[in-house]
Amino acid sequence: DVKVTQSSRYLVKRTGEKVFLECVQDMDHENMFWYRQDPGLGLRLIYFSYDVKMKEKGDIPEGYSVSREKKERFSLILESASTNQTSMYLCASSPPLEKYEQYFGPGTRLTVT
Amino acid sequence: GDSVTQMEGPVTLSEEAFLTINCTYTATGYPSLFWYVQYPGEGLQLLLKATKADDKGSNKGFEATYRKETTSFHLEKGSVQVSDSAVYFCALGTGGFKTIFGAGTRLFVKA
Repeated sequence: DVKVTQSSRYLVKRTGEKVFLECVQDMDHENMFWYRQDPGLGLRLIYFSYDVKMKEKGDIPEGYSVSREKKERFSLILESASTNQTSMYLCASSPPLEKYEQYFGPGTRLTVT
Repeated sequence: GDSVTQMEGPVTLSEEAFLTINCTYTATGYPSLFWYVQYPGEGLQLLLKATKADDKGSNKGFEATYRKETTSFHLEKGSVQVSDSAVYFCALGTGGFKTIFGAGTRLFVKA
């Protein structure tokens, strides 16, 4: 069974902390994505990566960075967490020829206080 | 720009009722269209897709037809079950790597 796993289901951090969200997929997919999900707004793309060490900004990259040192792992970094980054964060991956057919992890609900 | 609009929820139905969740889109070119489903406590799963006009996607009793003339991709199911309670997202891919998601429609099915 294919799988995308995220390091935490729930996380509580303080304003100004550096936060790392980890995502691992076991499907050998080239493409990986980070979204945030907020009520009434659907999913918004933060960053994506189509290969190791490659990254592209999505619609809302401000305040975030990413790292992809290995094919199976894609990390989202909040350099200095703020309360407006309280949200559900979803990681996804997809194969190169079916880039819209994405496999999602269960999500990390991050609360910044 | 490209966008997806889907009906606001929540939608509440009794078991065995007919389901329609409306979805319309705005896009240049010829997008691919998708429905994803998110069950409580889980990430999204691809439910069905259609890649060209008049294609019908189907899975688990759900269907949606790609209507280019009305720019729509409405989700239907003839008889819903309690286990169908979830949030449903309409989405489109227009090229590049971006998938554009609708805001989601929550479905509650009562026994």
